Amino acid sequence: DADVTQTPRNRITKTGKRIMLECSQTKGHDRMYWYRQDPGLGLQLIYYSFDVKDINKGEISDGYSVSRQAQAKFSLSLESAIPNQTALYFCATSDPRSGSDTDTQYFGPGTRLTVL
Amino acid sequence: GESVGLHLPTLSVQEGDNSIINCAYSNSASDYFIWYKQESGKGPQFIIDIRSNMDKRQGQRVTVLLNKTVKHLSLQIAATQPGDSAVYFCAENSGGSNYKLTFGKGTLLTVNP
Repeated sequence: DADVTQTPRNRITKTGKRIMLECSQTKGHDRMYWYRQDPGLGLQLIYYSFDVKDINKGEISDGYSVSRQAQAKFSLSLESAIPNQTALYFCATSDPRSGSDTDTQYFGPGTRLTVL
Repeated sequence: GESVGLHLPTLSVQEGDNSIINCAYSNSASDYFIWYKQESGKGPQFIIDIRSNMDKRQGQRVTVLLNKTVKHLSLQIAATQPGDSAVYFCAENSGGSNYKLTFGKGTLLTVNP
């Protein structure tokens, strides 16, 4: 979905390096999410934010941190990357407006991160 | 523990046939479910959703069926086309105010011409 963009799309780094993945959205959604996807597995929630002042840990937050710089921007950082953080990372947004039936999440194109 | 899972990790069908992808869930508090399609190299794309107060919902060529008695969800794709080849994920929202989704592992659908 072009309304949710992620940078970079691909990144190769070395163990111990600090890495930041960025997500921007033009949907005007309040809620943003970071997921990790490993081969053959579903999506695992790392962190989520329901508004600019709200940050929550997901299932697998250890080794990651996030920053919600604005409604439209949500960054994921790996303070000291390790090889088992090699994965596909997806950002998503949602907006459960009052009266809406659902809180559908819309995903970005993903960032492929390789940690050597 | 609570989980969302899929009966079949892979499904191969002939073009023009109907496809059925299944999903089991174990959280009886889940109040809505979503099917996503993920093509190679892309992010998951919303297909269709259903709330727990419904047992069937139809979209364009797709139908989702929900059986709360046995905690089972299925996605039916009519007249499957090569462009339908992808991994399909079900996801459940366990209710409450947080709207977090739990995803299944996915089923790879391959459509043979």
